[in-house]
Amino acid sequence: DGGITQSPKYLFRKEGQNVTLSCEQNLNHDAMYWYRQDPGQGLRLIYYSQIVNDFQKGDIAEGYSVSREKKESFPLTVTSAQKNPTAFYLCASRPHRDSNYGYTFGSGTRLTVV
Amino acid sequence: EDKVVQSPLSLVVHEGDTVTLNCSYEVTNFRSLLWYKQEKKAPTFLFMLTSSGIEKKSGRLSSILDKKELFSILNITATQTGDSAIYLCALANAGGTSYGKLTFGQGTILTVHP
Repeated sequence: DGGITQSPKYLFRKEGQNVTLSCEQNLNHDAMYWYRQDPGQGLRLIYYSQIVNDFQKGDIAEGYSVSREKKESFPLTVTSAQKNPTAFYLCASRPHRDSNYGYTFGSGTRLTVV
Repeated sequence: EDKVVQSPLSLVVHEGDTVTLNCSYEVTNFRSLLWYKQEKKAPTFLFMLTSSGIEKKSGRLSSILDKKELFSILNITATQTGDSAIYLCALANAGGTSYGKLTFGQGTILTVHP
């Protein structure tokens, strides 16, 4: 079955450590996105990528980094510079940037920094 | 900056009630407005609206867009406990490098009691 796989589902890290969240899709989608969800704030865009080897900052990119070396993979690194990293992270994709379809979402990773 | 505001932020009803969820927006380059339902993890796609005044229906759910007044509503009739979820409204931008990215509202938490 085609879809987006995020791993792990739950992640615990100590403050000051970098951590990488995985996002893999086998839908052959060009565009991929990372969102952060906090209670009462909806989803906020961290980074997005329209094609391989290219990505743009979203609204809250500070303290995060991404790469897009392969079409199917768009990992997100939460660095120690991110002031409040505890949140629910959602990865999404769509066929291409001007697709008429909505996003396909992964199941998310809940990151807790202690 | 694009902005999406949903109301109410939370709503508690009983089975059989009808609910109306609101989404107002400000955007520089409108492409489409989308509604999602989020139960536990990944948001699932409900509707995409691009034209004003045309109602979209799916079972007990319906939605309509008013591009003049810059808002959309999502109606759920004869609510069931399975409708309990967070309902997210999102705006797709049509301009420049932000083409294709979605701006989300805070979400409306709907709770349906038996």
